[in-house]
Amino acid sequence: DGGITQSPKYLFRKEGQNVTLSCEQNLNHDAMYWYRQDPGQGLRLIYYSQIVNDFQKGDIAEGYSVSREKKESFPLTVTSAQKNPTAFYLCASSFNRVNEKLFFGSGTQLSVL
Amino acid sequence: AQSVTQLDSQVPVFEEAPVELRCNYSSSVSVYLFWYVQYPNQGLQLLLKYLSGSTLVKGINGFEAEFNKSQTSFHLRKPSVHISDTAEYFCAVSEGTGGSYIPTFGRGTSLIVHP
Repeated sequence: DGGITQSPKYLFRKEGQNVTLSCEQNLNHDAMYWYRQDPGQGLRLIYYSQIVNDFQKGDIAEGYSVSREKKESFPLTVTSAQKNPTAFYLCASSFNRVNEKLFFGSGTQLSVL
Repeated sequence: AQSVTQLDSQVPVFEEAPVELRCNYSSSVSVYLFWYVQYPNQGLQLLLKYLSGSTLVKGINGFEAEFNKSQTSFHLRKPSVHISDTAEYFCAVSEGTGGSYIPTFGRGTSLIVHP
């Protein structure tokens, strides 16, 4: 089945630690996105990539980093500079730049120990 | 810049009653409009979308929405809800900004269906 796979489902971060969230898609989509979801705040865009080896900052990129070395993969690193990382993180993809629909993964819940 | 306002954070309703979830947007250019649904601890899935053409859009699970350009609204409706419709609903808008069409989401409306 085609889709987006996020792992792990739950992740815990210690103080000062960097953690990486995985996002893989087998839909042959060009564009991929990372959103952060906090209760009552909807989805906020962290980073997006519309083509391999290129990515752009979203509205809340500070404290996060990404890479897009392969079309299928768009990992997100939450760095120690992100002081409030506890949230639900959603990865999404769309067929091309003029996206008509986003396909979402099932999310990763990140918590701070 | 585009923005989305979902006017109700929570909508309680009894089973088999009709429901309307409200969404207003702001944009200076033509837009694409979407409604997504999220069940607990899951990702979002598309309910319906408006790209162009007929302003009344039908989606999955009996939902429909109407695009009203003059009121910049895209309200979601269902004539008779079921317990299984209990979920978080998100309105989203995307527009052509240099051709990127990056979607912006509203804060979500929690639909709670009571038996």
